[in-house]
Amino acid sequence: GAGVSQSPRYKVAKRGQDVALRCDPISGHVSLFWYQQALGQGPEFLTYFQNEAQLDKSGLPSDRFFAERPEGSVSTLKIQRTQQEDSAVYLCASSLWGSYGYTFGSGTRLTVV
Amino acid sequence: EDKVVQSPLSLVVHEGDTVTLNCSYEVTNFRSLLWYKQEKKAPTFLFMLTSSGIEKKSGRLSSILDKKELFSILNITATQTGDSAVYLCAVPFGNEKLTFGTGTRLTIIP
Repeated sequence: GAGVSQSPRYKVAKRGQDVALRCDPISGHVSLFWYQQALGQGPEFLTYFQNEAQLDKSGLPSDRFFAERPEGSVSTLKIQRTQQEDSAVYLCASSLWGSYGYTFGSGTRLTVV
Repeated sequence: EDKVVQSPLSLVVHEGDTVTLNCSYEVTNFRSLLWYKQEKKAPTFLFMLTSSGIEKKSGRLSSILDKKELFSILNITATQTGDSAVYLCAVPFGNEKLTFGTGTRLTIIP
């Protein structure tokens, strides 16, 4: 597609529910990144893929967070047993290579109640 | 730990005013500094700066980097209501991930 597509746009989850957030990057983009943006803050790095390989997951806040990109294209960020502190906008970005020429998706706003 | 600090946190000005947004950084192995505009949710790229003293310009927006003093500024002249947004500064670290500042929320009053 022309841009990075994320779905759903909004998600409300009850505390303790599992959620799955999808990112469809620009076709041919090798690098894919997930960021978490809390209200009033800048985006914070979660994890990075190069094709299907997850090269860095140092930003994932706990073992409840899991990301995959099995075929090197679409990626899913899964959060298990959601907590209120998980409420944030989750941004996905893709690039041809590395941090140059990032294109961000519009994000998924997750609200945990 | 790499660090990016933006100021002010928020700014309210009248249409037509000129604004200057600041970004300071502490980064090991500095390579570049990037500016983004975030209106709704998706940050959109404005500038990438790698060399000191060379101004990047796009219409009414311009930016410059000072690698000695470790800061960058983003100028917007003749502001318009469409310039209202959060402006984010970021530096790459590690293997291409970005460290962002908290952003400056700019509001332009008609």
